[in-house]
Amino acid sequence: DSGVTQTPKHLITATGQRVTLRCSPRSGDLSVYWYQQSLDQGLQFLIQYYNGEERAKGNILERFSAQQFPDLHSELNLSSLELGDSALYFCASSVSTGTSGGETQYFGPGTRLLVL
Amino acid sequence: AQSVTQLDSHVSVSEGTPVLLRCNYSSSYSPSLFWYVQHPNKGLQLLLKYTSAATLVKGINGFEAEFKKSETSFHLTKPSAHMSDAAEYFCVVSVRTGNQFYFGTGTSLTVIP
Repeated sequence: DSGVTQTPKHLITATGQRVTLRCSPRSGDLSVYWYQQSLDQGLQFLIQYYNGEERAKGNILERFSAQQFPDLHSELNLSSLELGDSALYFCASSVSTGTSGGETQYFGPGTRLLVL
Repeated sequence: AQSVTQLDSHVSVSEGTPVLLRCNYSSSYSPSLFWYVQHPNKGLQLLLKYTSAATLVKGINGFEAEFKKSETSFHLTKPSAHMSDAAEYFCVVSVRTGNQFYFGTGTSLTVIP
């Protein structure tokens, strides 16, 4: 158990809908990262937050957004869902911003999203 | 830019024989490299990491990896495969300025009894 929790574990929804994925980092970790894992794109970095502020963006669609709250949990919002958004979404956390790289990230179990 | 290439999408070994999972990296500076393992329907677990200290890195469950700058490689090895090692393995490089991870495409390891 990494100490990172994600809810829900599974989510089934329809095209055009909006969903929210939730992540609670390990105790003491200030950075949260979101990743998408799909069969065709593999594991891709979406976005990073540090202590409530956005730090970096990766291949995140404009229909997707995230935030990190004062208690450090994070939410990933996916809107106007398309079939291609079906994937496993992982959250990870690390102690700080990792400004020099090399910080271990601890991954949650993921949320499996199925868009029908 | 940083990237990693996992040279084999599938590797199959017999139980008790050595495991070799290959990873090459591309980086304009000395990278931080990781190996993570993903068992079916599970999250990602850290096996080991290299961050410019010793070039031979020992990880959990008997795995180790050697950083070879001259070959730009970070191959993962284990002397003797166990059935429980069957999983997907990811080689990862982290961005120096922010720690975002870039994953290889993964290697699926099958262990034959």
